Amino acid sequence: EVQLVESGGGLVQPGRSLKLSCLASGFTFSNYGMNWIRQAPGKGLEWVASISSSSSYIYYADTVKGRFTISRDNAKNTLYLQMTSLRSEDTALYYCARSIPPRFAYWGQGTLVTVSS
Amino acid sequence: DIQMTQSPASLSASLGETISIECRASEDIYSNLAWYQQKSGKSPQLLIYAANRLQDGVPSRFSGSGSGTQYSLKISGMQPEDEGDYFCLQGSKFPLTFGSGTKLEIK
Repeated sequence: EVQLVESGGGLVQPGRSLKLSCLASGFTFSNYGMNWIRQAPGKGLEWVASISSSSSYIYYADTVKGRFTISRDNAKNTLYLQMTSLRSEDTALYYCARSIPPRFAYWGQGTLVTVSS
Repeated sequence: DIQMTQSPASLSASLGETISIECRASEDIYSNLAWYQQKSGKSPQLLIYAANRLQDGVPSRFSGSGSGTQYSLKISGMQPEDEGDYFCLQGSKFPLTFGSGTKLEIK
């Protein structure tokens, strides 16, 4: 069974950093592209970043470019999102999702990031 | 960036009714479109990909159609479990963009 489990969310002050993780199981992680998508409270979905299976291709939304870094460790079956210079508008539930866009067949349950002083 | 204009923003349907949700892209996305359902407090679920291909395990009352810049999701026979939010997502170009969503409720 495919499972994606996000962790690392929490309350953080504006300007600080946070690193999210997504632990994958039930499939060969190194064969699949991975993605981060977020959802602000009561709002719609926003794509954040994508990374190819071997990390050769990486893409970011303009709203996070230069502040967030997506990476992966295929030996640990884990996807990461390093977030720096956090802003209040980064407050959201962050999901990881598997596969080539836009066919995200598997999603985690999300981890909540709250940016507030 | 490709803009996805989704309509309507909300919809109320009776049980058994057939409904449609539309997404219009600001440029040709060559059927690189997926539809998602999100129930309250849950992660999104993939319904349709490549504009008209039904994801495994999704009931056949869901269907997708369209090409170029115009796409639609149809539910043929509204069921209680179909209540939720629906989003389209274009995957033709980065940055990927979602539609703004449609809230579907039972009348």
